Amino acid sequence: EVELVESGGGLIQPGGSLTLSCAPSGFTVNNNYMMWVRQAPGKGLEWVALIYIGGNTYHADSVKGRFTISRDSSKNTVFLQMSSLRADDTAVYYCARSRGTGNNYCNHGVDVWGQGTTVTV
Amino acid sequence: IQMTQSPSSLSASVGDRVTLTCRASQTISTYLNWYQQRPGKAPKLLIYAASSLQSGVPSRFSGSGSGTDFALTISSLQPEDFATYYCQQSYSSPITFGQGTRLEIK
Repeated sequence: EVELVESGGGLIQPGGSLTLSCAPSGFTVNNNYMMWVRQAPGKGLEWVALIYIGGNTYHADSVKGRFTISRDSSKNTVFLQMSSLRADDTAVYYCARSRGTGNNYCNHGVDVWGQGTTVTV
Repeated sequence: IQMTQSPSSLSASVGDRVTLTCRASQTISTYLNWYQQRPGKAPKLLIYAASSLQSGVPSRFSGSGSGTDFALTISSLQPEDFATYYCQQSYSSPITFGQGTRLEIK
C-alpha cells in the first residue's frame, strides 16, 4: 500500500525553527515529485514547496528564504526545514506526491497525501 | 493563476445531482484537478486533467471544462460526499487551489 507519514510538528515560538519529515512506503522519493502543502486553521490549501525528480527545488514566495525542502535518498525521506517561523505559518502541513507527464509535474494531480502534521507558532 | 470556486457553500440532499464550478483567471487548457476533503482528513484526488477519473473514485463523480471554466458534477449524492471540494490548476507554477466549496446536508 502506498502511503506517506509525516512527523516533526509541534508548538514553537515565533522566530524559531522546526524540521518536518515525511517517509513514504510503497515508493521512493527519488523517483517522484514530492511537495509540501499547508492548510491554516479554517482555511484552504496552499502549496509550500516542491522537489523535482531531478532534485531541483522550488518554494512559495511566502516561505522563500525561510523554508527549505530537501530529501535523503538513503533514508527515503523528504524534509521541510522551517526557520524564522511566524504566526501566519501556523497550519497543518501535508506531505504529498504529485504525478506528471512531460514537463508538467502535476497534470495528473496530487495523488498521495500524508495525514498531516500540525505546526503552531 | 487565481482559481475561484462557486458557490462557497451548497446545501443538498442525498440523491441530488449537484454541480460545483471553478474558474481560472487565465486559460489553463485542461490542467485542472479536483479534490475532496472531509473534516480532519487529508485531501483526496477525484479528477485530474479536468475529466479523468482517479482510480478508485466512484463513477458518480465527473469533471468537465477547458480553458477557464470547469465543473465537478456528482450525479447522485451519497452521505459520504458531504465534504469540501477544491479545484487546483497545474498549468503553471506555482500550482494554486481554489478557496473551496463546502457541500452540506440539507
